[in-house]
Amino acid sequence: NAGVTQTPKFRVLKTGQSMTLLCAQDMNHEYMYWYRQDPGMGLRLIHYSVGEGTTAKGEVPDGYNVSRLKKQNFLLGLESAAPSQTSVYFCASSTSEAQHFGDGTRLSIL
Amino acid sequence: SQKIEQNSEALNIQEGKTATLTCNYTNYSPAYLQWYRQDPGRGPVFLLLIRENEKEKRKERLKVTFDTTLKQSLFHITASQPADSATYLCALTFGNEKLTFGTGTRLTIIP
Repeated sequence: NAGVTQTPKFRVLKTGQSMTLLCAQDMNHEYMYWYRQDPGMGLRLIHYSVGEGTTAKGEVPDGYNVSRLKKQNFLLGLESAAPSQTSVYFCASSTSEAQHFGDGTRLSIL
Repeated sequence: SQKIEQNSEALNIQEGKTATLTCNYTNYSPAYLQWYRQDPGRGPVFLLLIRENEKEKRKERLKVTFDTTLKQSLFHITASQPADSATYLCALTFGNEKLTFGTGTRLTIIP
């Protein structure tokens, strides 16, 4: 039972490069979320989706885009990476209450 | 905007004692409040949920209380063990599909 799987686990990028973080869930959950976690800031919501084909902005959406083409997958894109986007990124999925998290992607932007 | 404060960044408790963590919020009362555990290098794991019309919830050695007058939730771990050492996060929702998280309290149980 995999739950929520995030790939990659680690990545180092140069400023201006682009990349996509992948999130997959096998629990048939409608809702999916992308957060970033920074020291002293807690988890902050970037974007979320309430179902296949839908996306919405969270608290800190600037510089990120997302897509939910399939119910089980939620992709987070950085079009032009900036050092301020160095963080740990967590994906989560839920039915309507408890959220289930992956183990994160540690991203460094040099 | 809603603010969530968890009482301290770090808390050290002797093994066997009860650990009590605090979560305070401002403005509107949430529809429900959740507590999560996070270990280093791992994602948060859901522990307990309590609704605005509930005073207390229990699960094994865990107990959560919710006081909408004080705008506060208390999270208790009784008979604490070193394996309970982790960061504990509280999170609130206002009836929609989004959670707002506190910054967490790092709990260390000392043998």
